[in-house]
Amino acid sequence: EPEVTQTPSHQVTQMGQEVILRCVPISNHLYFYWYRQILGQKVEFLVSFYNNEISEKSEIFDDQFSVERPDGSNFTLKIRSTKLEDSAMYFCAITGVSTDTQYFGPGTRLTVL
Amino acid sequence: DQQVKQNSPSLSVQEGRISILNCDYTNSMFDYFLWYKKYPAEGPTFLISISSIKDKNEDGRFTVFLNKSAKHLSLHIVPSQPGDSAVYFCAAHGGGGNKLTFGTGTQLKVEL
Repeated sequence: EPEVTQTPSHQVTQMGQEVILRCVPISNHLYFYWYRQILGQKVEFLVSFYNNEISEKSEIFDDQFSVERPDGSNFTLKIRSTKLEDSAMYFCAITGVSTDTQYFGPGTRLTVL
Repeated sequence: DQQVKQNSPSLSVQEGRISILNCDYTNSMFDYFLWYKKYPAEGPTFLISISSIKDKNEDGRFTVFLNKSAKHLSLHIVPSQPGDSAVYFCAAHGGGGNKLTFGTGTQLKVEL
């Protein structure tokens, strides 16, 4: 099973501040995903990233969000100006040999005050 | 737009008995279904999956059944163990793109 780590595990920020969440797969992968889970709600898709480009994004993923792969290994999610409603667990996911199965990282808990 | 539904928010089962978790979907374009297990403050852990061309897949204590005509799938865990206590999410792949669409989850509690 492919492994992926995420940093930080918990991020507290003030409303309006920028945050960068990081995902580090243990081995090379082509497909990356970001999901989030607001407390008590279901896991929601944000964006998929393939071959260094966004391949799909949800309506949640507006202009305040961006993703990039700055150094060929890390995969980041940036929120430019955080809002209270951005408070959630953010999960990075990667695919293994089969692109049907996604493996999730441990998540970053984002708290916006 | 709830394309994937888990109508039971919680389920309590005795140790050693069978746990049956259910999931319904509406989008006939889904081509692959997955079950994930999740503990609080952790990421979803992949358990088992099934392609839409099959009706059953088994892996140890876990079996997933798919009824395409009813747009229904279920996860059977037998025998249930206390360590199985967690939230179980059903997820569907396809319907355009590679994203997963998740259900709302079922909290399983396996009691001694």
